[in-house]
Amino acid sequence: DSGVTQTPKHLITATGQRVTLRCSPRSGDLSVYWYQQSLDQGLQFLIQYYNGEERAKGNILERFSAQQFPDLHSELNLSSLELGDSALYFCASSVVQDSPLHFGNGTRLTVT
Amino acid sequence: GENVEQHPSTLSVQEGDSAVIKCTYSDSASNYFPWYKQELGKRPQLIIDIRSNVGEKKDQRIAVTLNKTAKHFSLHITETQPEDSAVYFCAPNTGNQFYFGTGTSLTVIP
Repeated sequence: DSGVTQTPKHLITATGQRVTLRCSPRSGDLSVYWYQQSLDQGLQFLIQYYNGEERAKGNILERFSAQQFPDLHSELNLSSLELGDSALYFCASSVVQDSPLHFGNGTRLTVT
Repeated sequence: GENVEQHPSTLSVQEGDSAVIKCTYSDSASNYFPWYKQELGKRPQLIIDIRSNVGEKKDQRIAVTLNKTAKHFSLHITETQPEDSAVYFCAPNTGNQFYFGTGTSLTVIP
């Protein structure tokens, strides 16, 4: 168990809809990262937060947004969903910005 | 952003043989070099890491070597076992971001 909790585990929704993925980092970790992993693909970096502030943006679409709350949990919002958004979304946390990442078990999103 | 390449993309070895995966990166400011293992359907997990002031690090059957001048680091697995079969990712860290390589699918044949 990594200590990182992601909910829900599975999400099935229709095109055009909006969903929210939730992540609770490991106790004591201030950095939260979001990654997207499509079928048989690598890990695409989406966005990073550190202690409530956005620190880095990767290949995140404008339809996607995220935030980190004062209690350090984070939410990733995906809107106007398309079939191509179907993927496994991982959240990871770390103590500081250049320390090991601890991954949650991911949320599998299926857009039909 | 950082340009990260992994080679090979797939690797098959006989049980007991060694496996080597190489990761090249572009940003000379990278200072932390981890390797992650992802088994099918599971989350990536750190297996070994190295910092820029160290050339080599070993943990039982796994080792990582770093060549900062040439901007590459490698994962070495000796005496491979079937449970080593997985996808391996390098993820050099530059500043705030970890850029993951494209992954190497390792198959260990019993």
